[in-house]
Amino acid sequence: NAGVTQTPKFQVLKTGQSMTLQCAQDMNHNSMYWYRQDPGMGLRLIYYSASEGTTDKGEVPNGYNVSRLNKREFSLRLESAAPSQTSVYFCTTQVWMNTEAFFGQGTRLTVV
Amino acid sequence: QQQVKQSPQSLIVQKGGISIINCAYENTAFDYFPWYQQFPGKGPALLIAIRPDVSEKKEGRFTISFNKSAKQFSLHIMDSQPGDSATYFCATGGSSNTGKLIFGQGTTLQVKP
Repeated sequence: NAGVTQTPKFQVLKTGQSMTLQCAQDMNHNSMYWYRQDPGMGLRLIYYSASEGTTDKGEVPNGYNVSRLNKREFSLRLESAAPSQTSVYFCTTQVWMNTEAFFGQGTRLTVV
Repeated sequence: QQQVKQSPQSLIVQKGGISIINCAYENTAFDYFPWYQQFPGKGPALLIAIRPDVSEKKEGRFTISFNKSAKQFSLHIMDSQPGDSATYFCATGGSSNTGKLIFGQGTTLQVKP
């Protein structure tokens, strides 16, 4: 039982390159979220999917897009990476609202 | 933007001491208040959570104190141990918030032997 799996774990991009961060869960949870973690800023919500077939913007959506491929998978895409997107990205899942969030192991992204 | 303000940013405590981390929130509609613990290189994991119908919840050495009127809640770690050294995040959630959690800025705790 893997829980929440993120790929890749580490990535270095050049400014302007694109990439997709993958997240898959085997917990049969309805809701999935993408956060970024920056020193002193805590965890800030980028995008979320309350249920399969829906996606919504969070606090810091600019420069990102998402796809809820199915109930298990929720991907985050950077179309044209910028140094300001250097961060650690976490995917989380919740069975429903006001319940425990389960985190993936994170993706450490550096944009040079 | 709804905020959760967490303090202090960092904390150093001697082994056996009490660690206290505080959070303040704005939206009275929030009704879920979890604390997460994160070790270096790992994702955060739920430590303890409270609902607003109680003022305190204790699990082992960890206690949440909740003050609804002041819109504040805090994490107390009794008999702090070096293994408690980690980053702690408070968060808030509400039924009107589609399950989204709003996290505090984080507190880095170091427990000295």
